Amino acid sequence: NAGVTQTPKFQVLKTGQSMTLQCAQDMNHNSMYWYRQDPGMGLRLIYYSASEGTTDKGEVPNGYNVSRLNKREFSLRLESAAPSQTSVYFCASSDRDRATYEQYFGPGTRLTVT
Amino acid sequence: AQSVAQPEDQVNVAEGNPLTVKCTYSVSGNPYLFWYVQYPNRGLQFLLKYITGDNLVKGSYGFEAEFNKSQTSFHLKKPSALVSDSALYFCAVRVNTGFQKLVFGTGTRLLVSP
Repeated sequence: NAGVTQTPKFQVLKTGQSMTLQCAQDMNHNSMYWYRQDPGMGLRLIYYSASEGTTDKGEVPNGYNVSRLNKREFSLRLESAAPSQTSVYFCASSDRDRATYEQYFGPGTRLTVT
Repeated sequence: AQSVAQPEDQVNVAEGNPLTVKCTYSVSGNPYLFWYVQYPNRGLQFLLKYITGDNLVKGSYGFEAEFNKSQTSFHLKKPSALVSDSALYFCAVRVNTGFQKLVFGTGTRLLVSP
């Protein structure tokens, strides 16, 4: 049981390049999330997926797109990277059918855009 | 807006001493509150939560948190700090705007000195 996995762990992009961050969970959770973490700002929600086949914008969605490929996988795409997207990105999942609400996080992807 | 505040960027404590990491919340309705811990270069790990019931909640690694409705606070505590407790701690509150999401505080860095 690996929990939530993310690839890659590190990435350096030039401004304007694109890339996709991959996330998968093996806990049969319905809901998945993408956050970014910046110093002094905590975690901010980019996009979330309440269940397979649905996605919604979070607090800071501009410059990002997501795909909920199936129940296990939720990817985050940067179409044209900008230096302001330099951050650490975390994927998380939760079981919305249980009244517990805690989220389980992946190890993160450290992205630098030059 | 529903939110949590962590008023201290950093808390310093000597090993063996009690520690407190502060969190206050602002929500409509009954709050669902969480504490997470992040060790260097890792994702967030769930520590404990308050949903309902006893105001003193016990969690992982000997941590506990006290829910105080009159002071709208949910402070994290441990009777005797360990050097290995040094990490970044996040308070979070569940918001329910059609879909249950977590809103995180900005984080408090705990440094435990030997």
